Amino acid sequence: SQQGEEDPQALSIQEGENATMNCSYKTSINNLQWYRQNSGRGLVHLILIRSNEREKHSGRLRVTLDTSKKSSSLLITASRAADTASYFCATQAALEYGNKLVFGAGTILRVKS
Amino acid sequence: DAGITQSPRHKVTETGTPVTLRCHQTENHRYMYWYRQDPGHGLRLIHYSYGVKDTDKGEVSDGYSVSRSKTEDFLLTLESATSSQTSVYFCAIGERGEKAETQYFGPGTRLLVL
Repeated sequence: SQQGEEDPQALSIQEGENATMNCSYKTSINNLQWYRQNSGRGLVHLILIRSNEREKHSGRLRVTLDTSKKSSSLLITASRAADTASYFCATQAALEYGNKLVFGAGTILRVKS
Repeated sequence: DAGITQSPRHKVTETGTPVTLRCHQTENHRYMYWYRQDPGHGLRLIHYSYGVKDTDKGEVSDGYSVSRSKTEDFLLTLESATSSQTSVYFCAIGERGEKAETQYFGPGTRLLVL
């Protein structure tokens, strides 16, 4: 079963607006990661936040993590048409032998120009 | 997609036939993964490898087998393809950093089983 669940399933905004996507998970994690997938392409790693971190920034991306609520959010500021893609959160429980990422179903973001 | 290739990129096959998908990396990463992606399910792990000849099952391994005889190659085999295995298959490689691992994905293989 999936660990992460994204909300909303789909989001449509105008260029220049901010986009916020949320992810909830069920069990304890070592870290949570966000990936982007452009149509017909593989996933690209965006940002990783560890369980002892609360907020992280990378360019126009801001990720927050609330381990007490088992949730994370990805904020894309000043969105561009090129940000149109699917966004996935993925959780990693522990760095054990053969540890794995568990992905959510994703949020489809459409940025209209 | 740099450093990871998948072949074939597209394949149409018939139910009951064997199919092998290949993942090739030039990054010398130890960890390799096979996922399938279906609408509404995100990515689900099929099998993974943590070294040459070292593999283990993922979440949806039934009907699939894998082999890794070299660091750079990870093969996924559908012994007898079924229509439920129609999907997009992604290979990924893992980079183990300090207390965390990120993954890098190939371009995917679209498989249609008729």
